[in-house]
Amino acid sequence: NAGVTQTPKFRVLKTGQSMTLLCAQDMNHEYMYWYRQDPGMGLRLIHYSVGEGTTAKGEVPDGYNVSRLKKQNFLLGLESAAPSQTSVYFCASSHWGPRAKNIQYFGAGTRLSVL
Amino acid sequence: AQSVTQLGSHVSVSEGALVLLRCNYSSSVPPYLFWYVQYPNQGLQLLLKYTTGATLVKGINGFEAEFKKSETSFHLTKPSAHMSDAAEYFCAADSGTASKLTFGTGTRLQVTL
Repeated sequence: NAGVTQTPKFRVLKTGQSMTLLCAQDMNHEYMYWYRQDPGMGLRLIHYSVGEGTTAKGEVPDGYNVSRLKKQNFLLGLESAAPSQTSVYFCASSHWGPRAKNIQYFGAGTRLSVL
Repeated sequence: AQSVTQLGSHVSVSEGALVLLRCNYSSSVPPYLFWYVQYPNQGLQLLLKYTTGATLVKGINGFEAEFKKSETSFHLTKPSAHMSDAAEYFCAADSGTASKLTFGTGTRLQVTL
């Protein structure tokens, strides 16, 4: 049982380039999330999804797009990368059900540098 | 809007000493509260959570936290620090909407001999 898997683990981009980060979960979770982690700022929610075919904006959505075509996958896209998007990106997933049982499970992260 | 504040970005303790990491939340309705731990170059792992009921919550690796509504706090403690506890710790609150979490800025725990 792999849990939450993020691809790639590391990436270096030039300003203006595009890329897609892939998150895959094998726990049949309904909810999925993308966060970015920056020093001294904790984790901030970029976008999230409450089910296949649905997406919603989080706290810092500008410059990112997402898609959830399959329940197990959640893609994060950067159309035109900027140095301000240099960060560590984490994907998480959560079961849908009684709120008390909802726990987010995290992937190992993708370290992205934009030069 | 909900917010989570962690006092102290860095905490250093001696091995065997008490660990106390502080977390305060701001919410009109007491949220569900979590502590996550992040070891170097890894993702976040759940330490413990408070939902309802008993206000003293026990987690993994000997950690516990107490929910105090009157103080809007959820501080994390461990009686005796171990070198393996060195990591970054995040407090988080569940807003109740799609189980979205609001994180504090994190506290890096250093354990010295």
